[in-house]
Amino acid sequence: DVKVTQSSRYLVKRTGEKVFLECVQDMDHENMFWYRQDPGLGLRLIYFSYDVKMKEKGDIPEGYSVSREKKERFSLILESASTNQTSMYLCASSFRMTSGRETQYFGPGTRLLVL
Amino acid sequence: KNEVEQSPQNLTAQEGEFITINCSYSVGISALHWLQQHPGGGIVSLFMLSSGKKKHGRLIATINIQEKHSSLHITASHPRDSAVYICADLPNTGNQFYFGTGTSLTVIP
Repeated sequence: DVKVTQSSRYLVKRTGEKVFLECVQDMDHENMFWYRQDPGLGLRLIYFSYDVKMKEKGDIPEGYSVSREKKERFSLILESASTNQTSMYLCASSFRMTSGRETQYFGPGTRLLVL
Repeated sequence: KNEVEQSPQNLTAQEGEFITINCSYSVGISALHWLQQHPGGGIVSLFMLSSGKKKHGRLIATINIQEKHSSLHITASHPRDSAVYICADLPNTGNQFYFGTGTSLTVIP
């Protein structure tokens, strides 16, 4: 079974703190994704990566950065956390297929509260 | 603009009932993804389809490309089916999925 793990299930941080969310997958997937999920808005893509050291912006990259130094690990960084970044953060991974129709496998999510 | 809309937003059913959840989208797509999110957050992929119909156990997904519409059916519903069901489309012109806001299903024993 594919396993996608996230470093924390719950996290409480203060405004202005630097926050690291880590995601690890064990299936040698090329693609990795970071989403945030907010009530009434559905999942929105923050950043994704097709390969090591490669990253592309999603729909809402402002206030976030990412790092992919190893294939299995994709980190989301909040340089200076703000209260509007309180959300559920979900990581996902998939194989890269030419059709683009790759099934995504999700981690359990991290609920971040910024005070 | 790609819009993915689901209906209903909330659904309560008695155990054993047949359930239908609908998903409409506004642009041409190459694939549609149905996902299940359990309480606590974990998301599981149910189906990926680009035409016709797929079946897995008591779950059936259909898609009508011309009408830009997909449905997820659950036969003989059970309380363990209680979850949020999410559809996501992959536009022909893009490389990322766009997600609906989900349908929250509660199945009462």
